[in-house]
Amino acid sequence: AQSVTQLDSHVSVSEGTPVLLRCNYSSSYSPSLFWYVQHPNKGLQLLLKYTSAATLVKGINGFEAEFKKSETSFHLTKPSAHMSDAAEYFCVVSGGVGFNKFYFGSGTKLNVKP
Amino acid sequence: SAVISQKPSRDICQRGTSLTIQCQVDSQVTMMFWYRQQPGQSLTLIATANQGSEATYESGFVIDKFPISRPNLTFSTLTVSNMSPEDSSIYLCSVATGTGNNQPQHFGDGTRLSIL
Repeated sequence: AQSVTQLDSHVSVSEGTPVLLRCNYSSSYSPSLFWYVQHPNKGLQLLLKYTSAATLVKGINGFEAEFKKSETSFHLTKPSAHMSDAAEYFCVVSGGVGFNKFYFGSGTKLNVKP
Repeated sequence: SAVISQKPSRDICQRGTSLTIQCQVDSQVTMMFWYRQQPGQSLTLIATANQGSEATYESGFVIDKFPISRPNLTFSTLTVSNMSPEDSSIYLCSVATGTGNNQPQHFGDGTRLSIL
């Protein structure tokens, strides 16, 4: 069975300060993990993906995430928040051979204060 | 990554009517997916649509309510039938591109549907 828990429904940071969005997963397989961002009235955009290569994954717009198997975590970070980062972020787990279903977390809304 | 166009982008419909949502991709893809995102919620997979076969529906979703067509490798439609206010949601299509296991999915901008 696979599942994702996003530990914070809302996160608020000031512009220029670090961002941390937390994600824990459960998977019966070696998981593939993804972070997506959804801006208002938009679809989902892929930020980054982990598929059993390097444990520190760099994505677009300065975001990165670290896969920690011992902690079953895949937290998303960014050193310095920008106003344009305000959006909803989804952590996703998939796993197994071939195509497998995506399991979405409940989402974290990031607010960036000026 | 693929460019995905969904139509309509939004609509307001009367209860009891049906609406067909179109999803067009700029390249040939094997796997297309339809999701529902209820207000303030995460995404729930409705069905997987592969060209040349019947769509595979997830638990809680049935073909009579959400018929899907997949006539070719670049196009799919989802119909929301006999709509009620509970069907008010964002409906998104996505595609899996690339080869190998567990490739990422790429999403359209969604169709925002309100039922009166």
